[in-house]
Amino acid sequence: DGGITQSPKYLFRKEGQNVTLSCEQNLNHDAMYWYRQDPGQGLRLIYYSQIVNDFQKGDIAEGYSVSREKKESFPLTVTSAQKNPTAFYLCASSFGTEANEQYFGPGTRLTVT
Amino acid sequence: KQEVTQIPAALSVPEGENLVLNCSFTDSAIYNLQWFRQDPGKGLTSLLLIQSSQREQTSGRLNASLDKSSGRSTLYIAASQPGDSATYLCAVWNYGQNFVFGPGTRLSVLP
Repeated sequence: DGGITQSPKYLFRKEGQNVTLSCEQNLNHDAMYWYRQDPGQGLRLIYYSQIVNDFQKGDIAEGYSVSREKKESFPLTVTSAQKNPTAFYLCASSFGTEANEQYFGPGTRLTVT
Repeated sequence: KQEVTQIPAALSVPEGENLVLNCSFTDSAIYNLQWFRQDPGKGLTSLLLIQSSQREQTSGRLNASLDKSSGRSTLYIAASQPGDSATYLCAVWNYGQNFVFGPGTRLSVLP
């Protein structure tokens, strides 16, 4: 079964702690993306990667970090510097960044208290 | 910078009705437009992708149209069913940018 997996589905952390969200895809896609979704708002791009060992900041990268050591994996770390980390985080992938169809994972809901 | 809006924000219709969801964008130099469905607490499911050279795409009861010059796209759902209840989002891709998403339209189809 091809697709994108995100784990865990729910994540709870105390303020001041870093937390890493997992994203794995077996679609053989080159490009991967991280989005944040807040109630009543559209998705906002955090980071994206077009190729292994390379990634670019999106619109709201402050307080987040990523790595792309393998084609299949694109983990997102929410650092303690992120002022309002509680949100729904969505990972996506596509064959390329030139406007190819995006496929999404099931999401991770992060709650920081 | 591209901005995407969707009207209405919420829509409630009785089962069996045909309905239209609207998506507007400010920069017409798009490469493509994608419609998604999102169920509560879930990820996005791709419904239709329209390339800039296309005017419409169809999948089952869904038909999406694109008018680049006016900066508009519509998603037509025929014979709506309670299972169609979800939030529908559109996203556009501009040259040199990434996908920009609209805020979505929350659809409720009443039995």
